[in-house]
Amino acid sequence: AQKVTQAQTEISVVEKEDVTLDCVYETRDTTYYLFWYKQPPSGELVFLIRRNSFDEQNEISGRYSWNFQKSTSSFNFTITASQVVDSAVYFCALSEAHRAGGYQKVTFGTGTKLQVIP
Amino acid sequence: ETGVTQTPRHLVMGMTNKKSLKCEQHLGHNAMYWYKQSAKKPLELMFVYSLEERVENNSVPSRFSPECPNSSHLFLHLHTLQPEDSALYLCASSPHRDRGFFNQPQHFGDGTRLSIL
Repeated sequence: AQKVTQAQTEISVVEKEDVTLDCVYETRDTTYYLFWYKQPPSGELVFLIRRNSFDEQNEISGRYSWNFQKSTSSFNFTITASQVVDSAVYFCALSEAHRAGGYQKVTFGTGTKLQVIP
Repeated sequence: ETGVTQTPRHLVMGMTNKKSLKCEQHLGHNAMYWYKQSAKKPLELMFVYSLEERVENNSVPSRFSPECPNSSHLFLHLHTLQPEDSALYLCASSPHRDRGFFNQPQHFGDGTRLSIL
């Protein structure tokens, strides 16, 4: 069975601080995908990044960066120089690579609520 | 614009009412999902439709009844709900993949905030 653990329930930082959101996953699959989603107060889950299990390169996109370490089954997300607009709930998710029936089975973590204080 | 539209955004209903949640996607996807999001819990997958056929029903009580009339529309019919059913209900869609990997994320709507009185 797949499992995603986001141990940090809530984090508060002051604007311009850096913050790292932790994600640890469990799976028996050798091929899988990892995702991060952002959920602002409006409710919609906004896709941020996808990483496949064969690609351990870290990725940077503006103020966002992701550190994928297969050896520790972690996929952590860092926001540099946080801004008030970053305040949201962030979800880490794990997806099978494929499934008979053609649909996607995704396991989500419980989310980390980030509050950026001006 | 998300590409996945859910209506209504908010719904308050009594335990004896019957109502329906609607989801519409304009992304050309052929798999659609209903999730329940309760406070401090992971998103719970409720139902999956793939090519308009229900392929997953994760032990959801019969007071929730999904319907997928075509690949663009998904409904969740509600009747005789309980207070613990109050939650955010999210619809998502993804491309159907008979072969190859799921290398695209699911696309989500804004959700319907449901409150049971």
